[in-house]
Amino acid sequence: DAMVIQNPRYQVTQFGKPVTLSCSQTLNHNVMYWYQQKSSQAPKLLFHYYDKDFNNEADTPDNFQSRRPNTSFCFLDIRSPGLGDAAMYLCATSRDRGGGGPQHFGDGTRLSIL
Amino acid sequence: QKEVEQNSGPLSVPEGAIASLNCTYSDRGSQSFFWYRQYSGKSPELIMFIYSNGDKEDGRFTAQLNKASQYVSLLIRDSQPSDSATYLCVGGTASKLTFGTGTRLQVTL
Repeated sequence: DAMVIQNPRYQVTQFGKPVTLSCSQTLNHNVMYWYQQKSSQAPKLLFHYYDKDFNNEADTPDNFQSRRPNTSFCFLDIRSPGLGDAAMYLCATSRDRGGGGPQHFGDGTRLSIL
Repeated sequence: QKEVEQNSGPLSVPEGAIASLNCTYSDRGSQSFFWYRQYSGKSPELIMFIYSNGDKEDGRFTAQLNKASQYVSLLIRDSQPSDSATYLCVGGTASKLTFGTGTRLQVTL
């Protein structure tokens, strides 16, 4: 049974057209993360929520925003996607932040920009 | 200097052999370590985690941690072609996780 679910699996959008990726979890974990992963690179943390507390990484572009309306759902909004934003976007959850426990990843959303 | 370092590989081992994947870390505040397997185009999958010095075994996998040397390893016994993937080493402090760039493992027939 999938515990971290990302939708859609594949997303195609046009250059500059806003796009939203979604993530839901059934684990009731406190922390939800969004990562960007490009080919042959490690996942790069964009931001995370600890409960309702939003934590942005210093080098995350302003173009990327996130919302967490409740414990189960978290969204990644890309306001004006550029060609460089084409990547796999991974959502992950954990009970505690940092090394307090393992992260559980969703299957990812592969974003393509036309 | 990267905070978690891994040899990018590829590491090639024959089927049935032991694959040894290594990782070093620089942050002495790191308390926990995780190994993820990632197949091409897929998301990372947790294989092992280790918090204490020594060895931790789970089936064909053994994680080893040496905090004095700031060294973590993953051993895969009886390697199978299905083990061919990228293995990510992740170090965790109280507040953050740091990913290594991964080692690509190829198990040959």
